[in-house]
Amino acid sequence: DAKTTQPPSMDCAEGRAANLPCNHSTISGNEYVYWYRQIHSQGPQYIIHGLKNNETNEMASLIITEDRKSSTLILPHATLRDTAVYYCIVCPGRRALTFGSGTRLQVQP
Amino acid sequence: EPEVTQTPSHQVTQMGQEVILRCVPISNHLYFYWYRQILGQKVEFLVSFYNNEISEKSEIFDDQFSVERPDGSNFTLKIRSTKLEDSAMYFCASSGLAGEETQYFGPGTRLLVL
Repeated sequence: DAKTTQPPSMDCAEGRAANLPCNHSTISGNEYVYWYRQIHSQGPQYIIHGLKNNETNEMASLIITEDRKSSTLILPHATLRDTAVYYCIVCPGRRALTFGSGTRLQVQP
Repeated sequence: EPEVTQTPSHQVTQMGQEVILRCVPISNHLYFYWYRQILGQKVEFLVSFYNNEISEKSEIFDDQFSVERPDGSNFTLKIRSTKLEDSAMYFCASSGLAGEETQYFGPGTRLLVL
């Protein structure tokens, strides 16, 4: 079973920031928080990951709480092409990724 | 940007037939993975492979499945005798050495068993 909890769905207006929460209260010290997304039945697309510190790349920002029990993925300016299922996964790296049901993000025009 | 590629994109086969799904991982990656996604269900891990050995496998990966790295570039998944329930999208992924553990996925092969 997935070790993360995400809301099943969220809506966001185009051009606004999308903030996707994830709870991972049983995360271990050596586990990273990974975010992937899947558009229709395409292959999961890597977005970002982090261990303790907040991270930012060209796609998104990742905010991890100090106790590491939860995180938030931020898409700063959502577009229609960001409509997808977003998965939050905790994993020590190079191990099996356990996908849950994710959050279905619908970006509205 | 380097990417994982998979062939074929679609495969239709008869129950009981053998199929081989092919993947070309990112060139400097050394860890390889197969996942599958039955229509409408979650992405499920099948197997991971490193240094010509299986390093981890799930309960799904039974004796009907095998993996191989036949040469320096390809990574294959063989299903010996396909069943109807093997119909799914199959995704290959690869990752690198320390500091490059992120798994990057290919576009998938849609397998339909009739």
